[in-house]
Amino acid sequence: AQTVTQSQPEMSVQEAETVTLSCTYDTSESDYYLFWYKQPPSRQMILVIRQEAYKQQNATENRFSVNFQKAAKSFSLKISDSQLGDAAMYFCASISNFGNEKLTFGTGTRLTIIP
Amino acid sequence: AAGVIQSPRHLIKEKRETATLKCYPIPRHDTVYWYQQGPGQDPQFLISFYEKMQSDKGSIPDRFSAQQFSDYHSELNMSSLELGDSALYFCASSKIGGSYNEQFFGPGTRLTVL
Repeated sequence: AQTVTQSQPEMSVQEAETVTLSCTYDTSESDYYLFWYKQPPSRQMILVIRQEAYKQQNATENRFSVNFQKAAKSFSLKISDSQLGDAAMYFCASISNFGNEKLTFGTGTRLTIIP
Repeated sequence: AAGVIQSPRHLIKEKRETATLKCYPIPRHDTVYWYQQGPGQDPQFLISFYEKMQSDKGSIPDRFSAQQFSDYHSELNMSSLELGDSALYFCASSKIGGSYNEQFFGPGTRLTVL
């Protein structure tokens, strides 16, 4: 079984600044993937970034990067140069590498961008 | 590129009525997942199908049933609707062995039970 914990229900950041969203997880699997999803007011689930557990190198996608600490089971998301369009709910999620497994989500962090 | 299609996008029902939600996965994807997201909550897994067979079951009420058809589309049938069933229902699809086991989400069906 997998659990995902997001301890920050809400975060805010000034436009153009950097913000870090926290996520911790627990799993008994040896191989798994981790994701950050963005859910804007439209409520579409948009994949922001993904990380393979066996890769030590942190994933990066433009202004989005992660700090993956496998031993600590931590997977934080850093957003650089925050933009108004980044305002959304952000969900951390995990999935086992074994076939057709379900995604397990955290409870989300609502990010507000202050102009 | 083709995405996951869900219909209808919005649905309003009365208590005790039935509802059918449809999902059309990305072509050549073999697995379909259903998630329920209540107001202010994270998505919760309901059920999944691989090659038209149920592959996993989550916290899906007995009043709900689902299946995957020969053309790989899936339907979620909900009977005796309750106020608490009001939620956003996501369908996602994936291809086993695909990159990251990534699931591609549809836009969701917003169900309102009055």
